[in-house]
Amino acid sequence: DAGVIQSPRHEVTEMGQEVTLRCKPISGHNSLFWYRQTMMRGLELLIYFNNNVPIDDSGMPEDRFSAKMPNASFSTLKIQPSEPRDSAVYFCASSSGQGRTNEKLFFGSGTQLSVL
Amino acid sequence: DQQVKQNSPSLSVQEGRISILNCDYTNSMFDYFLWYKKYPAEGPTFLISISSIKDKNEDGRFTVFLNKSAKHLSLHIVPSQPGDSAVYFCAASGRNYGQNFVFGPGTRLSVLP
Repeated sequence: DAGVIQSPRHEVTEMGQEVTLRCKPISGHNSLFWYRQTMMRGLELLIYFNNNVPIDDSGMPEDRFSAKMPNASFSTLKIQPSEPRDSAVYFCASSSGQGRTNEKLFFGSGTQLSVL
Repeated sequence: DQQVKQNSPSLSVQEGRISILNCDYTNSMFDYFLWYKKYPAEGPTFLISISSIKDKNEDGRFTVFLNKSAKHLSLHIVPSQPGDSAVYFCAASGRNYGQNFVFGPGTRLSVLP
């Protein structure tokens, strides 16, 4: 399996522009997570889906952020409008989502977002 | 308030010596703990895990110890190698957390040749 695939790897945009990050989870995985990494807060969970349904979006910073999972093999994280403080590395991760005690996350390579 | 804490932002160790990375948690509902390693420009990769029914889990050079009463876990790397230089994240999950994993802020380990 190719693992979790994220695109783009790097995104540079201007303040106010819309940004869309994309993720393809590992085939057969039922849970998908969006994390953001910053120097101040480390890895923080933004939202996670189970069977394409958003389960917990309490980590989404504000209404400018939205995430969708239209099918089991694709998810997007959208920021509209973007602001400089959104600059960070955004990671997508997936897991089998079967609720086993030995569950683990598999991460993509991340999207480095810079908002100027 | 951070539920998973890694109080050492960085650690330097000589090659061949032991590296000890520490992690503390506050939520007693956590019952499953993981360590992830992250190289620059890559996503975190799973390293080792431990369930709360155990107090030790070993995998090659890596051992994780869990002290439930102190809500503390540690990762030991013996012997340390330059290739171990990376950021290490501690993560926790629990039955009442659904599929969620809570990560600590990470510790940057540098293994000096």
